[in-house]
Amino acid sequence: QKEVEQNSGPLSVPEGAIASLNCTYSDRGSQSFFWYRQYSGKSPELIMFIYSNGDKEDGRFTAQLNKASQYVSLLIRDSQPSDSATYLCAVKPSGTYKYIFGTGTRLKVLA
Amino acid sequence: DAGVIQSPRHEVTEMGQEVTLRCKLISGHNSLFWYRQTMMRGLELLIYFNNNVPIDDSGMPEDRFSAKMPNASFSTLKIQPSEPRDSAVYFCASSQASPATDTQYFGPGTRLTVL
Repeated sequence: QKEVEQNSGPLSVPEGAIASLNCTYSDRGSQSFFWYRQYSGKSPELIMFIYSNGDKEDGRFTAQLNKASQYVSLLIRDSQPSDSATYLCAVKPSGTYKYIFGTGTRLKVLA
Repeated sequence: DAGVIQSPRHEVTEMGQEVTLRCKLISGHNSLFWYRQTMMRGLELLIYFNNNVPIDDSGMPEDRFSAKMPNASFSTLKIQPSEPRDSAVYFCASSQASPATDTQYFGPGTRLTVL
């Protein structure tokens, strides 16, 4: 089992819809969770981080964390074609500063 | 503030040649991470440093790869000799690792092609 799993996609949603991206992780002691967006040919760019169970909202983005079920998700409201990118989930296991990245989910927002 | 700086942005070399990639951390950050990204394997951590000390190099593929951090703000990743399978995008990322914050910020990457 991979340490951080994401569906590779592509996930296609129409413009204006809600895009839901999911990530599961295996290390139950993980403390910090991050979502990065990566446009083709560019470097990963931090969108959000979440440390506590529940929801965290930032503009059109909401991160949701459920440590009991070991998943973290990212919701993008009012999706725009400019949101089309690969979204990487990263998990920081306990006792270390390094991240474990998932392989990413490719999102396509259709105009 | 300037972000993470990497050079060169593109490197094309022939098999067997030495390749040196460079990275400058964000001012005030104390941790540096070298990653390699390919379509097949995604984003892989090669090595990370905290306060100039290598903490975990378990991701370094083999002895052909070496990394140094000669001072608090600069690091190099060297491949000698290079092989075609080393072709990838190499990113470095920096963070201000502390219990309160440990967000990593990525540089623009170096696209390496080994012929």
